Amino acid sequence: AQTVTQSQPEMSVQEAETVTLSCTYDTSESDYYLFWYKQPPSRQMILVIRQEAYKQQNATENRFSVNFQKAAKSFSLKISDSQLGDAAMYFCAYRSLPGGTSYGKLTFGQGTILTVHP
Amino acid sequence: ETGVTQSPTHLIKTRGQQVTLRCSSQSGHNTVSWYQQALGQGPQFIFQYYREEENGRGNFPPRFSGLQFPNYSSELNVNALELDDSALYLCASSPYLNTEAFFGQGTRLTVV
Repeated sequence: AQTVTQSQPEMSVQEAETVTLSCTYDTSESDYYLFWYKQPPSRQMILVIRQEAYKQQNATENRFSVNFQKAAKSFSLKISDSQLGDAAMYFCAYRSLPGGTSYGKLTFGQGTILTVHP
Repeated sequence: ETGVTQSPTHLIKTRGQQVTLRCSSQSGHNTVSWYQQALGQGPQFIFQYYREEENGRGNFPPRFSGLQFPNYSSELNVNALELDDSALYLCASSPYLNTEAFFGQGTRLTVV
């Protein structure tokens, strides 16, 4: 079974600064997907960025980028030029490929609460 | 907005009762999955439906059951409610072979 660990329960950053959220995972599969989701107080889980494990290039989406280290099973999220609207709970998640041991199931970490100070 | 809608948004039930939560998936999505999120925790996978069949289940007892309809909307039913069932219930839809899951806004269930 896969596990996802977020070791930072809370992080804070000043507006316009950069912050990095950490995530490690454990799996015996060689190919899979990794995601970062954002959950603001409105509760809706919003996809921030995704990474396919077979791609060596780190994914980027505007101010959001990841540092994917497959051998170390590490998947951190970097938020540049932080904005007040980035404040939320952030979840790292793992999903098997079709045909994988548990395709369809998202396995989430415990989450990191991000506070952005003006 | 993801196009995934859940109803109701809030619900209060008494221990021992039964509850039905509903989810309308995003257009074109034939896969729906349900998650339970306790306060301050990450979501836990309950089960997934693909074309009206359950094709994956997490570590939840049989009193958690579901349905998916021909229009791919879905229901989550919980029988014999317990206090620990109090949580946010999230529905997510995706095209089967797609990678992303798109979530609804959730149903906050309180069992008293």
